Amino acid sequence: AQSVTQLDSHVSVSEGTPVLLRCNYSSSYSPSLFWYVQHPNKGLQLLLKYTSAATLVKGINGFEAEFKKSETSFHLTKPSAHMSDAAEYFCAGGATNKLIFGTGTLLAVQP
Amino acid sequence: EAGVAQSPRYKIIEKRQSVAFWCNPISGHATLYWYQQILGQGPKLLIQFQNNGVVDDSQLPKDRFSAERLKGVDSTLKIQPAKLEDSAVYLCASSSAGRTRDEQFFGPGTRLTVL
Repeated sequence: AQSVTQLDSHVSVSEGTPVLLRCNYSSSYSPSLFWYVQHPNKGLQLLLKYTSAATLVKGINGFEAEFKKSETSFHLTKPSAHMSDAAEYFCAGGATNKLIFGTGTLLAVQP
Repeated sequence: EAGVAQSPRYKIIEKRQSVAFWCNPISGHATLYWYQQILGQGPKLLIQFQNNGVVDDSQLPKDRFSAERLKGVDSTLKIQPAKLEDSAVYLCASSSAGRTRDEQFFGPGTRLTVL
């Protein structure tokens, strides 16, 4: 069975400080892993994806994530938060044809 | 390139009424998905179409929910009769080929409130 767990429901950072959003996955097979961002009243937008190539994946808006098989993790990071990063972030994974989404992490950025 | 279109954006109905949502995917995308996103949760797949055939509808409550994708393009999702627990955002997404590693492009969603 597949599962995706986002370890924090809310994360608050100050503008200009690093962002870390945590995601663990469970899969019997080598998964494809994604991070999506959702701004209020908008659809989900892909930030980045891992599909068994390089383990360090760079995405849009300065975000990146590292696939660590030994830790079954795919944490999302950004060196310096911007006010516009405030949104909800979803980790998703799948090994068969179905994507499983985590419950989301709401990122707040304080001025 | 136009994105995934959905309508209506908002809908308020009373329980036991029926409602329908419409989705127009990105042109040329063979795969279309309907997700249900309840407040505080991640999206949950309801049904996946490949062209006009159903690939996965294992989590679709078939006693009240139905969906179709005529001609392999637009799709409609219907709820009849609605229950209070159906209050959620219904997201439509499309992808080019439907493989897990393919990016899914999401529409803005329809927010349904059942009173």
